[in-house]
Amino acid sequence: GAVVSQHPSWVICKSGTSVKIECRSLDFQATTMFWYRQFPKQSLMLMATSNEGSKATYEQGVEKDKFLINHASLTLSTLTVTSAHPEDSSFYICSARVLIGETQYFGPGTRLLVL
Amino acid sequence: KNEVEQSPQNLTAQEGEFITINCSYSVGISALHWLQQHPGGGIVSLFMLSSGKKKHGRLIATINIQEKHSSLHITASHPRDSAVYICAVIGWNTDKLIFGTGTRLQVFP
Repeated sequence: GAVVSQHPSWVICKSGTSVKIECRSLDFQATTMFWYRQFPKQSLMLMATSNEGSKATYEQGVEKDKFLINHASLTLSTLTVTSAHPEDSSFYICSARVLIGETQYFGPGTRLLVL
Repeated sequence: KNEVEQSPQNLTAQEGEFITINCSYSVGISALHWLQQHPGGGIVSLFMLSSGKKKHGRLIATINIQEKHSSLHITASHPRDSAVYICAVIGWNTDKLIFGTGTRLQVFP
C-alpha cells in the first residue's frame, strides 16, 4: 500500500526555537496533504490543507504565522512550528492523498515536546 | 452533539471473540473511513467505503447510507488487534475528514 513517512518521529526542543516536520509520500504523488494535531486521548484536529504549489488553507483558530506549511513538491510537505512554546507540545500527523475522493494515507506522526 | 458518533467508547474482549464497533453520522457523506491507531500513534487506513460492504482478512466494514450508520467487525480477535478504531466521514460539500471520538479496543489472551 501507499506509504507516507514523517521526520522526525519525535523532537524535544527549548521554548522559543522553531521546529520543522517533514511529510513525504514515498511511492505516490500527493496532490493534497493534510496536517493534523492530536492531544492525548482526543481525536485528530485538522490544522491545514495544502495543495502542491499553492498556499495552505488553515482551519479556523490555527495561526498561519505560527504553523508555517510548505508543499513545494508532489512528495513533500513541511510544517514549521515557529517560536515553539510548551502549549505547542502535541502529536502532529500528516496525511496525503492523490485525488479528491480517494483514500488518505497517514504518516506515523511526530511527537513534539517543548520545554 | 458530534457529527460522528461511535460506540462503544471502550471495549474489552477475549481472544477469539467477534467484535463490532458502530459509527453513526448526521451529515450527508461521500465516503466513510475506518482507521486504526496503535499505541505508538501511527494511523492505518483500514477501509474507505461509500456503499455496501468490504472485507479484508478478518476485518469487515459495512455501511447503510439511508440509516447513516456503519459497522466495523473483527472476527477471531487477537491481542494485536488492540488499538483505537476511528470512524471518519467526508461530507458532500467538503474533502475534509470529520472524525469520531474513537473506540479503544483491548483484546486479552
